Amino acid sequence: GAGVSQSPSNKVTEKGKDVELRCDPISGHTALYWYRQSLGQGLEFLIYFQGNSAPDKSGLPSDRFSAERTGGSVSTLTIQRTQQEDSAVYLCASSLLGAGVTDTQYFGPGTRLTVL
Amino acid sequence: AQSVTQLDSQVPVFEEAPVELRCNYSSSVSVYLFWYVQYPNQGLQLLLKYLSGSTLVKGINGFEAEFNKSQTSFHLRKPSVHISDTAEYFCAVSFYNQGGKLIFGQGTELSVKP
Repeated sequence: GAGVSQSPSNKVTEKGKDVELRCDPISGHTALYWYRQSLGQGLEFLIYFQGNSAPDKSGLPSDRFSAERTGGSVSTLTIQRTQQEDSAVYLCASSLLGAGVTDTQYFGPGTRLTVL
Repeated sequence: AQSVTQLDSQVPVFEEAPVELRCNYSSSVSVYLFWYVQYPNQGLQLLLKYLSGSTLVKGINGFEAEFNKSQTSFHLRKPSVHISDTAEYFCAVSFYNQGGKLIFGQGTELSVKP
Protein backbone atom coordinates (compact mmCIF):
# COMPACT_ATOMS: atom_id res chain seq x y z
CA GLY A 1 0.00 0.00 0.00
CA ALA A 2 0.97 3.64 -0.31
CA GLY A 3 3.13 5.24 2.30
CA VAL A 4 2.99 8.76 3.69
CA SER A 5 3.13 11.32 0.91
CA GLN A 6 3.96 15.01 1.11
CA SER A 7 3.63 17.84 -1.34
CA PRO A 8 5.30 19.78 -2.69
CA SER A 9 8.66 18.03 -2.48
CA ASN A 10 10.42 21.38 -2.81
CA LYS A 11 9.19 24.89 -2.17
CA VAL A 12 11.11 28.10 -2.70
CA THR A 13 9.45 31.25 -1.45
CA GLU A 14 10.27 34.84 -0.69
CA LYS A 15 10.52 36.18 2.81
CA GLY A 16 7.14 37.41 4.01
CA LYS A 17 5.03 35.10 1.85
CA ASP A 18 2.70 32.43 3.23
CA VAL A 19 3.21 28.74 2.40
CA GLU A 20 1.11 25.61 2.78
CA LEU A 21 2.61 22.16 3.10
CA ARG A 22 0.46 19.07 2.66
CA CYS A 23 0.64 15.61 4.19
CA ASP A 24 -1.33 12.52 3.15
CA PRO A 25 -0.95 9.86 5.86
CA ILE A 26 -1.26 6.14 5.41
CA SER A 27 -4.92 5.23 5.05
CA GLY A 28 -6.49 4.33 8.38
CA HIS A 29 -3.78 5.87 10.53
CA THR A 30 -5.34 7.90 13.32
CA ALA A 31 -2.27 9.77 14.50
CA LEU A 32 -0.31 12.31 12.45
CA TYR A 33 2.85 14.18 13.39
CA TRP A 34 4.77 17.10 11.93
CA TYR A 35 8.52 17.47 12.50
CA ARG A 36 11.11 19.88 11.18
CA GLN A 37 14.67 18.98 10.21
CA SER A 38 17.17 21.82 9.97
CA LEU A 39 20.94 22.07 10.10
CA GLY A 40 21.06 24.09 13.26
CA GLN A 41 18.28 22.43 15.25
CA GLY A 42 18.24 18.80 14.07
CA LEU A 43 14.90 17.00 14.10
CA GLU A 44 12.22 18.82 16.12
CA PHE A 45 8.65 17.89 16.94
CA LEU A 46 6.10 20.50 15.86
CA ILE A 47 2.55 19.21 16.38
CA TYR A 48 0.57 16.01 16.81
CA PHE A 49 -2.96 15.13 15.68
CA GLN A 50 -5.20 12.42 17.03
CA GLY A 51 -8.02 12.28 14.51
CA ASN A 52 -8.80 15.90 13.69
CA SER A 53 -7.81 17.36 17.05
CA ALA A 54 -4.34 18.51 18.08
CA PRO A 55 -3.69 17.59 21.72
CA ASP A 56 -0.07 18.71 21.52
CA LYS A 57 1.01 21.85 19.69
CA SER A 58 3.95 22.48 21.98
CA GLY A 59 6.57 22.35 19.24
CA LEU A 60 5.18 25.08 17.00
CA PRO A 61 7.91 27.74 17.09
CA SER A 62 5.69 30.80 16.79
CA ASP A 63 2.13 31.90 16.08
CA ARG A 64 3.05 32.16 12.41
CA PHE A 65 2.81 28.38 12.31
CA SER A 66 -0.53 26.59 12.27
CA ALA A 67 -1.82 23.21 11.18
CA GLU A 68 -5.10 21.50 10.61
CA ARG A 69 -6.31 18.05 9.77
CA THR A 70 -9.60 17.28 8.09
CA GLY A 71 -11.59 14.08 7.78
CA GLY A 72 -9.06 12.31 9.96
CA SER A 73 -6.79 12.20 6.95
CA VAL A 74 -4.99 15.00 5.09
CA SER A 75 -3.12 17.61 7.11
CA THR A 76 -1.89 21.04 6.10
CA LEU A 77 0.90 22.95 7.82
CA THR A 78 0.73 26.68 7.14
CA ILE A 79 3.53 29.13 7.74
CA GLN A 80 2.57 32.78 7.52
CA ARG A 81 4.98 35.63 6.76
CA THR A 82 7.87 33.22 6.23
CA GLN A 83 11.31 34.08 7.57
CA GLN A 84 14.70 32.79 6.48
CA GLU A 85 15.01 30.77 9.69
CA ASP A 86 11.95 28.77 8.58
CA SER A 87 14.07 27.15 5.87
CA ALA A 88 14.15 23.43 6.66
CA VAL A 89 12.81 20.05 5.63
CA TYR A 90 9.33 19.53 7.03
CA LEU A 91 8.55 15.90 7.74
CA CYS A 92 5.19 14.30 8.31
CA ALA A 93 4.65 10.93 9.98
CA SER A 94 1.61 8.82 10.75
CA SER A 95 0.90 5.92 13.04
CA LEU A 96 -1.98 3.53 13.36
CA LEU A 97 -3.00 4.19 16.96
CA GLY A 98 -1.30 7.20 18.53
CA ALA A 99 -2.35 8.50 21.91
CA GLY A 100 -1.34 6.47 24.93
CA VAL A 101 0.23 3.78 22.77
CA THR A 102 3.73 3.88 21.43
CA ASP A 103 3.23 2.84 17.86
CA THR A 104 5.63 2.88 14.93
CA GLN A 105 5.64 6.18 13.07
CA TYR A 106 6.01 6.02 9.30
CA PHE A 107 7.64 9.05 7.77
CA GLY A 108 7.05 10.78 4.47
CA PRO A 109 9.88 12.01 2.21
CA GLY A 110 9.53 15.58 3.44
CA THR A 111 9.06 19.02 1.92
CA ARG A 112 12.22 21.08 1.54
CA LEU A 113 11.34 24.73 2.19
CA THR A 114 13.74 27.46 1.18
CA VAL A 115 12.97 31.04 2.15
CA LEU A 116 14.95 33.60 0.18
CA ALA B 1 14.26 18.11 31.08
CA GLN B 2 14.00 15.25 28.64
CA SER B 3 16.75 15.03 26.04
CA VAL B 4 18.67 12.67 23.80
CA THR B 5 22.40 12.89 23.14
CA GLN B 6 24.22 11.13 20.35
CA LEU B 7 27.83 11.31 21.32
CA ASP B 8 29.36 11.06 17.85
CA SER B 9 28.34 13.30 14.96
CA GLN B 10 30.38 11.28 12.44
CA VAL B 11 31.63 7.70 12.52
CA PRO B 12 33.90 6.51 9.70
CA VAL B 13 34.46 2.76 9.50
CA PHE B 14 35.80 0.24 7.03
CA GLU B 15 33.56 -2.32 5.37
CA GLU B 16 33.08 -5.55 7.37
CA ALA B 17 34.26 -3.89 10.59
CA PRO B 18 31.99 -3.73 13.66
CA VAL B 19 30.36 -0.44 14.62
CA GLU B 20 28.70 1.07 17.68
CA LEU B 21 26.67 4.29 17.55
CA ARG B 22 26.14 5.75 20.99
CA CYS B 23 22.96 7.22 22.41
CA ASN B 24 22.22 8.50 25.90
CA TYR B 25 18.99 9.98 27.17
CA SER B 26 17.85 12.04 30.10
CA SER B 27 14.38 11.56 31.56
CA SER B 28 12.62 11.48 34.90
CA VAL B 29 9.94 9.12 33.58
CA SER B 30 9.92 5.82 31.76
CA VAL B 31 10.90 6.02 28.13
CA TYR B 32 10.45 4.15 24.92
CA LEU B 33 13.51 4.12 22.66
CA PHE B 34 13.97 4.05 18.90
CA TRP B 35 16.64 4.09 16.24
CA TYR B 36 15.79 5.50 12.82
CA VAL B 37 17.95 5.52 9.69
CA GLN B 38 17.90 8.11 6.92
CA TYR B 39 19.56 7.11 3.66
CA PRO B 40 20.69 9.92 1.35
CA ASN B 41 17.71 11.75 -0.13
CA GLN B 42 15.23 9.43 1.54
CA GLY B 43 12.82 9.60 4.47
CA LEU B 44 13.31 8.21 7.96
CA GLN B 45 12.94 4.45 8.39
CA LEU B 46 12.57 2.61 11.70
CA LEU B 47 15.50 0.29 12.47
CA LEU B 48 14.36 -1.00 15.85
CA LYS B 49 12.55 -0.03 19.02
CA TYR B 50 12.50 -0.85 22.72
CA LEU B 51 9.17 -0.68 24.51
CA SER B 52 9.56 -3.21 27.34
CA GLY B 53 10.82 -6.70 28.04
CA SER B 54 14.18 -7.97 26.86
CA THR B 55 16.78 -5.22 26.90
CA LEU B 56 18.47 -6.55 23.76
CA VAL B 57 16.50 -5.57 20.70
CA LYS B 58 17.14 -6.83 17.19
CA GLY B 59 16.17 -4.79 14.16
CA ILE B 60 16.39 -4.81 10.41
CA ASN B 61 19.59 -5.10 8.37
CA GLY B 62 21.47 -6.92 11.14
CA PHE B 63 21.40 -4.06 13.64
CA GLU B 64 20.76 -4.52 17.35
CA ALA B 65 20.62 -2.25 20.38
CA GLU B 66 20.76 -2.74 24.12
CA PHE B 67 18.75 -0.74 26.63
CA ASN B 68 20.75 0.00 29.77
CA LYS B 69 18.55 1.71 32.33
CA SER B 70 21.29 2.36 34.88
CA GLN B 71 23.46 4.09 32.30
CA THR B 72 20.47 5.63 30.48
CA SER B 73 21.88 4.39 27.20
CA PHE B 74 20.59 2.72 24.05
CA HIS B 75 23.63 2.09 21.86
CA LEU B 76 23.23 0.70 18.35
CA ARG B 77 25.58 -2.03 17.11
CA LYS B 78 26.30 -4.07 14.02
CA PRO B 79 29.01 -6.76 13.95
CA SER B 80 29.94 -6.25 10.29
CA VAL B 81 28.93 -3.22 8.23
CA HIS B 82 28.39 -2.91 4.49
CA ILE B 83 28.85 0.01 2.13
CA SER B 84 25.06 0.18 1.92
CA ASP B 85 24.85 1.03 5.64
CA THR B 86 26.20 4.49 4.88
CA ALA B 87 23.49 6.80 6.17
CA GLU B 88 22.51 9.07 9.03
CA TYR B 89 21.23 7.37 12.17
CA PHE B 90 18.93 9.00 14.69
CA CYS B 91 18.19 7.90 18.24
CA ALA B 92 14.80 8.98 19.60
CA VAL B 93 12.69 8.67 22.74
CA SER B 94 9.02 8.96 23.51
CA PHE B 95 7.10 8.92 26.76
CA TYR B 96 4.01 7.15 27.99
CA ASN B 97 0.79 9.12 27.53
CA GLN B 98 2.40 11.96 25.60
CA GLY B 99 0.85 11.00 22.31
CA GLY B 100 3.92 9.27 20.98
CA LYS B 101 5.83 12.39 19.91
CA LEU B 102 9.49 11.64 19.35
CA ILE B 103 12.42 13.57 20.79
CA PHE B 104 15.42 13.04 18.52
CA GLY B 105 19.14 13.15 19.03
CA GLN B 106 21.29 15.20 16.69
CA GLY B 107 22.11 12.25 14.47
CA THR B 108 25.26 10.26 13.68
CA GLU B 109 26.56 10.10 10.15
CA LEU B 110 27.92 6.61 9.48
CA SER B 111 30.33 6.45 6.58
CA VAL B 112 31.42 2.98 5.48
CA LYS B 113 34.56 2.90 3.37
CA PRO B 114 35.77 0.02 1.16
